[in-house]
Amino acid sequence: AQSVAQPEDQVNVAEGNPLTVKCTYSVSGNPYLFWYVQYPNRGLQFLLKYITGDNLVKGSYGFEAEFNKSQTSFHLKKPSALVSDSALYFCAVRDMEAGGFKTIFGAGTRLFVKA
Amino acid sequence: EPEVTQTPSHQVTQMGQEVILRCVPISNHLYFYWYRQILGQKVEFLVSFYNNEISEKSEIFDDQFSVERPDGSNFTLKIRSTKLEDSAMYFCASRETGSGYGYTFGSGTRLTVV
Repeated sequence: AQSVAQPEDQVNVAEGNPLTVKCTYSVSGNPYLFWYVQYPNRGLQFLLKYITGDNLVKGSYGFEAEFNKSQTSFHLKKPSALVSDSALYFCAVRDMEAGGFKTIFGAGTRLFVKA
Repeated sequence: EPEVTQTPSHQVTQMGQEVILRCVPISNHLYFYWYRQILGQKVEFLVSFYNNEISEKSEIFDDQFSVERPDGSNFTLKIRSTKLEDSAMYFCASRETGSGYGYTFGSGTRLTVV
């Protein structure tokens, strides 16, 4: 069975500092990994994905994520945080060996960026 | 930019009543999903739908739940007899053909069961 864990309920960072939001996953085969962001009273928005290829993937709004197979991690990063990055971030995994018919989301990490 | 549209944005219903949540996925998408989110926290998978049938469903998606694509554009989630614990934000999502695509989510329907 596929699963995804986000160990931090909340991450606080000062504007201009680098940010990292952590994610680890478990799947039976090769994972498809995603990050989504949710702003208040909105649906989830797709940020980026890892399917294959380079371990560092770049996405929307200057975010990037690093796939680490040995550590089964897919941490979200940004070199310089903005106050407007404050939101709820979800890591997600799709297990293609299980058919790929569902994507499982982590519990979410709330990011606070202080000015 | 294409959007997934959900109606209504907020529905209040009495316990035991039937509700139908409506979604219009993006027109060229063929894979459809329902998720729910309780109290702004964990996003839980309910069901996936492809080629006019359910591809996969979770343990939450019991006999009280059903999905339908009644025409070429709408995708509905029906809850036959609502319970208090069905109160949640329900999100519809769709994606393009090709297993590597991310989902496009609607803005959700907030269901309140009283």
